[in-house]
Amino acid sequence: DGGITQSPKYLFRKEGQNVTLSCEQNLNHDAMYWYRQDPGQGLRLIYYSQIVNDFQKGDIAEGYSVSREKKESFPLTVTSAQKNPTAFYLCASSVTGQETQYFGPGTRLLVL
Amino acid sequence: QKEVEQNSGPLSVPEGAIASLNCTYSDRGSQSFFWYRQYSGKSPELIMFIYSNGDKEDGRFTAQLNKASQYVSLLIRDSQPSDSATYLCAVKPSGSARQLTFGSGTQLTVLP
Repeated sequence: DGGITQSPKYLFRKEGQNVTLSCEQNLNHDAMYWYRQDPGQGLRLIYYSQIVNDFQKGDIAEGYSVSREKKESFPLTVTSAQKNPTAFYLCASSVTGQETQYFGPGTRLLVL
Repeated sequence: QKEVEQNSGPLSVPEGAIASLNCTYSDRGSQSFFWYRQYSGKSPELIMFIYSNGDKEDGRFTAQLNKASQYVSLLIRDSQPSDSATYLCAVKPSGSARQLTFGSGTQLTVLP
């Protein structure tokens, strides 16, 4: 089955801890994205990558980092510098040149 | 002024009625427009996209685009309780470097 997978479904972070959210796709899409969604709000772009080994900051990149070593994978690290990380994190992908984005199931991050 | 604005709702309609969801955008050069449906606790799923002025129909859904007035709408005919969800409008602003900008969503409830 083709699709986007995110893990874990729920993640708990302690104060001062870095945590990494996984995003994998087997759709052969070139572009991948990370969004954050807070309750009652729309999606805000954290980082995006259009090709392997290249990525750009979105609107709210502070406190986050990413890597794109493989076409299929785009992990997001929430660092200790992100003071308010509790949110629903969504990964998406698209074919380069086409704007339609398809989403993974999401990871809900909670702070202990 | 927000780049993409939607009425947050909640919007309630009786089963079988037409639900009308509206979205306005600020970038006059925007070219691509998307409607996503998001059930509570789930990730967004694409319903429709529209690029040209006028109407685009897909089953019970019709997207309407008016670039001169900078609005896009989604009509849901014969609304069903299973249509109850939050509907997100997304716009691709002008300029190749910009990604999709999402509105905060309209919560729709279809009453049996």
